[in-house]
Amino acid sequence: QLQLQESGPGLEKPSETLSLTCTVSGGSIYNVNYYWAWIRQPPGKGPEWIGSIYHTGSTYYNPSLKSRVTISVDTSKNQFSLNLSSVTATDTAVYYCATQWYDTEVFDIWGQGTMVTVSS
Amino acid sequence: EIVMTQSPATVSVSPGERATLSCRASQSVSSKLAWYQQKPGQAPRLLIYGASTRATGIPARFSGSGSGTEFTLTISNLQSEDFAVYYCQQYNKWPQWTFGQGTKVEIK
Repeated sequence: QLQLQESGPGLEKPSETLSLTCTVSGGSIYNVNYYWAWIRQPPGKGPEWIGSIYHTGSTYYNPSLKSRVTISVDTSKNQFSLNLSSVTATDTAVYYCATQWYDTEVFDIWGQGTMVTVSS
Repeated sequence: EIVMTQSPATVSVSPGERATLSCRASQSVSSKLAWYQQKPGQAPRLLIYGASTRATGIPARFSGSGSGTEFTLTISNLQSEDFAVYYCQQYNKWPQWTFGQGTKVEIK
């Protein structure tokens, strides 16, 4: 059973870089059936797709965040990571990692999520 | 960007009754529409994809319909575990996947 777990700091200062890691267990990050995605959800709002990566390293980013986002994959550790630079209070949200089907692009398996607050 | 608009924001339903939730896309998304359920403190769970195909393990009381710009999620015979927030998501415009703002199904 594939499982995802986010990890990283829960508090970031404005202008700094948010860094999160998603550890994949119960399966391989080489799985050709999936993209690996980051999604965030501000308090009381709907989810927002941030970006996705394939095991080959190909990346796809939300145009509204593209200038600040980097997603990478570490196949040796079965992990993928999110870096979001120059954060502000509007980046405060629960951040989820998730699998995204390669053929239909829906988000199937989600991590439990990690709350990140941006505050000085 | 394709904007997804859900209505109503909240619907009050008694257990055993039916809830009907709507999702409208700002432009056609064909049948590339998914529905998710989210309970407090939990991640969203995939219910429906392809506008009408239930995901693995989803009960038959959940049904989806629609195409183009208008979609409906119907929950029949509401059970206590169905009270939650529901989101629609389009995946027609690649790679700019977008979600709606959600409809809360609450106990009447």
